[in-house]
Amino acid sequence: DVKVTQSSRYLVKRTGEKVFLECVQDMDHENMFWYRQDPGLGLRLIYFSYDVKMKEKGDIPEGYSVSREKKERFSLILESASTNQTSMYLCASDRTQSVTEAFFGQGTRLTVV
Amino acid sequence: GNSVTQMEGPVTLSEEAFLTINCTYTATGYPSLFWYVQYPGEGLQLLLKATKADDKGSNKGFEATYRKETTSFHLEKGSVQVSDSAVYFCALSDQYSGAGSYQLTFGKGTKLSVIP
Repeated sequence: DVKVTQSSRYLVKRTGEKVFLECVQDMDHENMFWYRQDPGLGLRLIYFSYDVKMKEKGDIPEGYSVSREKKERFSLILESASTNQTSMYLCASDRTQSVTEAFFGQGTRLTVV
Repeated sequence: GNSVTQMEGPVTLSEEAFLTINCTYTATGYPSLFWYVQYPGEGLQLLLKATKADDKGSNKGFEATYRKETTSFHLEKGSVQVSDSAVYFCALSDQYSGAGSYQLTFGKGTKLSVIP
């Protein structure tokens, strides 16, 4: 089975901290995504990457950056955490660039205080 | 741009009732369409998909047909169970802003509760 693993299920960080959310997939997938999920807003795309060192902004990239140094790992970085970044963060990966079946991690619930 | 609109929830049904969750989409190209399900405390799982017009996706008793003429992909199940209680997301895959790469665009989700 494909596995997408997010490094933490729950995180609590202080305002202004630099926060790293890590995601690793074990099936050599090309495409990786970061979403945030908020009640009433569904899933919104932050960034995605279709190859190593490649990245594209999604719909809400402000306040975030990403890193993909290796194919299996896609990191989301909050440069200076703010309370409005309190959310559930979901990582996903897909085998090909044309999305056919995305696999999701369990999610990281981040609280910024 | 691409967008997905699905019916507002929450939806509460009795066990063995018929389920329909409506989903319509807007896309610039020829998208693939998906239904994902999220059980409490878990990530999203693919429930079913359809890649071209008139395709029917099915899984675990759920079905949805890709209707290009009405730009719809409604989810149906003939007889729901308590274990179907979850949040259901309709999604499409299409080229992102003409960039050549693809991304998934999701609806806002519909929470289903099935009571015994």
